[in-house]
Amino acid sequence: QKEVEQDPGPLSVPEGAIVSLNCTYSNSAFQYFMWYRQYSRKGPELLMYTYSSGNKEDGRFTAQVDKSSKYISLFIRDSQPSDSATYLCAIVSGGSYIPTFGRGTSLIVHP
Amino acid sequence: DVKVTQSSRYLVKRTGEKVFLECVQDMDHENMFWYRQDPGLGLRLIYFSYDVKMKEKGDIPEGYSVSREKKERFSLILESASTNQTSMYLCAGGGNYGYTFGSGTRLTVV
Repeated sequence: QKEVEQDPGPLSVPEGAIVSLNCTYSNSAFQYFMWYRQYSRKGPELLMYTYSSGNKEDGRFTAQVDKSSKYISLFIRDSQPSDSATYLCAIVSGGSYIPTFGRGTSLIVHP
Repeated sequence: DVKVTQSSRYLVKRTGEKVFLECVQDMDHENMFWYRQDPGLGLRLIYFSYDVKMKEKGDIPEGYSVSREKKERFSLILESASTNQTSMYLCAGGGNYGYTFGSGTRLTVV
């Protein structure tokens, strides 16, 4: 079992939909949680970072962490075609600096 | 704006060649990483470095080596390129508050 599981998709939604992207993890030592967006043939870019349970909001994006369930989510409100990309979660253990990445979920937002 | 810069976007090399992939960061990060990314396999860590002249093997170091002579520069070396090293190579710098990636080098070995 991989330490971080992420459904590869693709997830196809109409423009304006609310998107939910998820990762589950197995290591209780994980403390730092990140979401990256990666456009085709580009490097991943950091979208959201959090280290605590609960919600963190930034514009149309909300990151949610549930440490008791070992489950993290990224919500995208009012999704746009420009949100079409692969979204990767990344998690880091306390005391480490090496991220463990999920394999990414491909999102397609169609007009 | 902080940056991680990879020297080449696309490279084509022949089997058996020695290949150098260069990465430079301007963020003063101690930690730097080299990943390869393949469809269906996600990001796989090749090597990382937490200080100048320090390096540690990642999950798939075979066939690769690295060099970090200066804090801002982290080089990945393919000692003798093989076709199974055709991939997207990504350099990153950062820590627990986030990692910044370069744009990637798409390497094709023929």
